[in-house]
Amino acid sequence: AQTVTQSQPEMSVQEAETVTLSCTYDTSESDYYLFWYKQPPSRQMILVIRQEAYKQQNATENRFSVNFQKAAKSFSLKISDSQLGDAAMYFCASLTSGTYKYIFGTGTRLKVLA
Amino acid sequence: DTAVSQTPKYLVTQMGNDKSIKCEQNLGHDTMYWYKQDSKKFLKIMFSYNNKELIINETVPNRFSPKSPDKAHLNLHINSLELGDSAVYFCASSQDGTGVYLYTYEQYFGPGTRLTVT
Repeated sequence: AQTVTQSQPEMSVQEAETVTLSCTYDTSESDYYLFWYKQPPSRQMILVIRQEAYKQQNATENRFSVNFQKAAKSFSLKISDSQLGDAAMYFCASLTSGTYKYIFGTGTRLKVLA
Repeated sequence: DTAVSQTPKYLVTQMGNDKSIKCEQNLGHDTMYWYKQDSKKFLKIMFSYNNKELIINETVPNRFSPKSPDKAHLNLHINSLELGDSAVYFCASSQDGTGVYLYTYEQYFGPGTRLTVT
């Protein structure tokens, strides 16, 4: 069975600093996708970044990047130059290719300190 | 233009009532989903439809019945509401849940419906 684990319920970062959110997953499939979603206080879920498991190169989107360690089944999110608007719940998710079933982690609440 | 819309945004009702939440997407996507987010923010998939066909039906009580009149709409009907049904319900869509390209898997979420059962 697929599982996604986020071991940090809450993290804090100073504005302009860098923070890394952890995510580990477990799957027996070889073809899968990984995502980070952000949920600000407005409640809207927004895709932050995505990664195909077959790609060795880590995905980056502006200030957001991932450290994808396939052997370790780790998919951490790095936020550089943190901004107040980054404060939100962050959810890691996995999806096995060819299925519709997303598995979400329990989320990490990120606080950004001015 | 709103991509995925849900109505209502807030729903307060008493135990035992029947209620519906509507979801519409104007993205032309083939796949739609319902998620439940509990008070601890845990997000769990309930149902998934692809082109009006039920694909995923997680261990959800029979009191929950999704209905997809067309691929742009996926409504959620809940019978005999219970206190434990209180949560935020999210609708989402993706271009194609089994596509070849990663972008087809990206989910677009609605704003959520906060259901409170008293």
